[in-house]
Amino acid sequence: QLQLQESGPGLVKPSETLSLTCTVSGGSISSSSYYWGWIRQPPGKGLEWIGSIYYSGSTYYNPSLKSRVTISVDTSKNQFSLKLSSVTAADTAVYYCARQGATTTPRVAFDIWGQGTMVTVSS
Amino acid sequence: DIQMTQSPSSLSASVGDRVTITCQASQDISNYLNWYQQKPGKAPKLLIYDASNLETGVPSRFSGSGSGTDFTFTISSLQPEDIATYYCQQYDNLRFTFGPGTKVDIK
Repeated sequence: QLQLQESGPGLVKPSETLSLTCTVSGGSISSSSYYWGWIRQPPGKGLEWIGSIYYSGSTYYNPSLKSRVTISVDTSKNQFSLKLSSVTAADTAVYYCARQGATTTPRVAFDIWGQGTMVTVSS
Repeated sequence: DIQMTQSPSSLSASVGDRVTITCQASQDISNYLNWYQQKPGKAPKLLIYDASNLETGVPSRFSGSGSGTDFTFTISSLQPEDIATYYCQQYDNLRFTFGPGTKVDIK
């Protein structure tokens, strides 16, 4: 079955760039039926969508984070990645990657999630 | 941007009780509304998509309804394993927004 796994540093310094990778196993990231998304959750708080990418490289981002976010895809490695620049303590959160139904399908939802990875922004 | 509200923010109920959570969108989102369950320390799990469609493998005691701006999520008979936080999430114009969540526990 399809699985997603986040990886990357658990500690990032303020003003630096947070970089995470999501590896997809048990299926192809190049499916025409799905986008691939990043969602985060600060400790004790709710969920915030960061952005999503299609295997072709087409992206769309949360407007509140758009100026600092870049999401990319590497189909040869079955991975997609998140970069968040100029981080502050407010970016401390559990970061999840997830599969999202494409907008051309009847199920535009995040149906398979990674386990999440905690990223702390601190000097 | 579309804002989502949920009520109540938390509730306590007895095993076997019927539990209802409401979610309201700041503007019409048709039926582009999903519901997730999140247990402590775990990733969210999709329960309901497009307002009323039960995700494969999800118990039938979970259900959803509504369209436009007002939506309802129901657990027909609360079970101990349903202790979790429930989030609604809307999709509109290539943007996703989650509600603030409703924490459900056992009385």
